[in-house]
Amino acid sequence: DAGITQSPRHKVTETGTPVTLRCHQTENHRYMYWYRQDPGHGLRLIHYSYGVKDTDKGEVSDGYSVSRSKTEDFLLTLESATSSQTSVYFCAISESIGGNYGYTFGSGTRLTVV
Amino acid sequence: SQQGEEDPQALSIQEGENATMNCSYKTSINNLQWYRQNSGRGLVHLILIRSNEREKHSGRLRVTLDTSKKSSSLLITASRAADTASYFCATAVNNDMRFGAGTRLTVKP
Repeated sequence: DAGITQSPRHKVTETGTPVTLRCHQTENHRYMYWYRQDPGHGLRLIHYSYGVKDTDKGEVSDGYSVSRSKTEDFLLTLESATSSQTSVYFCAISESIGGNYGYTFGSGTRLTVV
Repeated sequence: SQQGEEDPQALSIQEGENATMNCSYKTSINNLQWYRQNSGRGLVHLILIRSNEREKHSGRLRVTLDTSKKSSSLLITASRAADTASYFCATAVNNDMRFGAGTRLTVKP
């Protein structure tokens, strides 16, 4: 996971509270992604970014927002956490869009909403 | 929604044996990639095979791609206990990459 770190690694929060997860990279890659991983679903894309202040929705974006004010940081915010958002969240980076060179993943954040 | 689907869902073998995992997908792709995930960790990129390639090797890994059947296989030869992990295929379609649900490989010492 060199070059990409996620924080926090674990978080427990209450339903209805806002939560922000952080992804930080030192690779200067243009593209950054947030995925969630749930049993039986594989990884599903939440949002991605193709540059500073340039973001777009993935297939499961409802209830999530993102921001990228610097190349190295990509934040994922759950505006009002729900139990269905209990999951493991992964950030990934890539040099090009669409996985032409593979993705590098962070170690993940395990989020529990109680 | 998932694009690739791995088969089997779980595989248990003895150390030294070969492990074969399969991936099927539904639409035309730019490339297909395989990733490994150790418990509690992120995914690690193993190998990428482009749509115009049929076979690729990397160390003990061999990947094949059959675009006519929309399928790929990952072969790990002479498996080791350290190969115990989940393995995912991912298909790149235009600017999108979709991951399957994975195969859980257990290699017994």
